[in-house]
Amino acid sequence: GAGVSQSPSNKVTEKGKDVELRCDPISGHTALYWYRQRLGQGLEFLIYFQGNSAPDKSGLPSDRFSAERTGESVSTLTIQRTQQEDSAVYLCASSPQLEGGGQAFFGQGTRLTVV
Amino acid sequence: GQSLEQPSEVTAVEGAIVQINCTYQTSGFYGLSWYQQHDGGAPTFLSYNALDGLEETGRFSSFLSRSDSYGYLLLQELQMKDSASYFCAVRAVNQGGKLIFGQGTELSVKP
Repeated sequence: GAGVSQSPSNKVTEKGKDVELRCDPISGHTALYWYRQRLGQGLEFLIYFQGNSAPDKSGLPSDRFSAERTGESVSTLTIQRTQQEDSAVYLCASSPQLEGGGQAFFGQGTRLTVV
Repeated sequence: GQSLEQPSEVTAVEGAIVQINCTYQTSGFYGLSWYQQHDGGAPTFLSYNALDGLEETGRFSSFLSRSDSYGYLLLQELQMKDSASYFCAVRAVNQGGKLIFGQGTELSVKP
């Protein structure tokens, strides 16, 4: 596709359920990022992929959060046993190469609401 | 580690010029980027400074001084549609290229 695609755009789930968020990066982009953004807040780094390896998982808030990426393609962020504090917009971004340009392209995000 | 600091909010009037500063502490980075985010929208790329100096893109300019660990985004001829949050970001060298964002500056443009 032309841009980064995330699905679902909105997700309402009950506390304690597992959710899976999907990100389709721009074709050919090697770097992929996940961020969490609470209402009125900044971008909280979660995890970064270079290809299908994750050099930095330091932002994952707890062991309930995990992410994987298939090759240089789709990534999924899984949150197990969701809690109300997990409610936020989850943003995915991809970037064409490691050093050049500094430009990351963001998807529209998945708005997660845990009730 | 890396950290970036920005003012939390700035207010200006239509037609004016506003400067949003970003100071950082980092052991090495590839360059300083700026992103714009409107309410309910996704962040969009505005500019990138790989080298010291000024980069100009239309009404927006961005500046970097590595020796001062400082950069800024300059918005000229402000328009109401410029009301948004603005984030500076660096791609860290020693963390595999992780893209790290500041907390953002909320710009309000008044008529």
